Amino acid sequence: QKEVEQDPGPLSVPEGAIVSLNCTYSNSAFQYFMWYRQYSRKGPELLMYTYSSGNKEDGRFTAQVDKSSKYISLFIRDSQPSDSATYLCAMKPTSGSRLTFGEGTQLTVNP
Amino acid sequence: DTAVSQTPKYLVTQMGNDKSIKCEQNLGHDTMYWYKQDSKKFLKIMFSYNNKELIINETVPNRFSPKSPDKAHLNLHINSLELGDSAVYFCASSQDSAGATQYFGPGTRLLVL
Repeated sequence: QKEVEQDPGPLSVPEGAIVSLNCTYSNSAFQYFMWYRQYSRKGPELLMYTYSSGNKEDGRFTAQVDKSSKYISLFIRDSQPSDSATYLCAMKPTSGSRLTFGEGTQLTVNP
Repeated sequence: DTAVSQTPKYLVTQMGNDKSIKCEQNLGHDTMYWYKQDSKKFLKIMFSYNNKELIINETVPNRFSPKSPDKAHLNLHINSLELGDSAVYFCASSQDSAGATQYFGPGTRLLVL
């Protein structure tokens, strides 16, 4: 069983929709939770990170962490065609820098 | 003024050859990483250096050898290339070895024929 599970999609939504992307994990030592966006043939770009449980908002993006359920989410409001990309969740324990990634969800926002 | 850069962007080579990929970061970060992304987009860490010292060494064939001449550079040398080495290799850096925020380079697409 993978430490981090993420539905690979593909997920296709109309422009303006609210998008919900999710990951589950099994390692209770994970304390840092990150979301990366990767455009086709580009490197992953850090979108947001949170420490422990709670919510974090940045513009149209909201990251949520529920450690009791070992479940993290990224919400994208008013989605745009430019949001079309693969979204990767990543997480790590408090100590060390080894990130464990989900396999990514491919999102397409249709104009 | 690219933050993390890699060369080359593309590498096509024959099985059995030896090749190197170079990475440079101008962010002043102390820690650098090599990741491998397979055809299913799964990103897996291979190595990490903090201030030129190896701190992560995952289960990777010893045909792969990282080298960090200084903390701004991390190179990856691969001996006796195999078909299964075909992948995209990403370099990344973070301010310190806590590594919560890692910044990735554009990737090197390696194709072994």
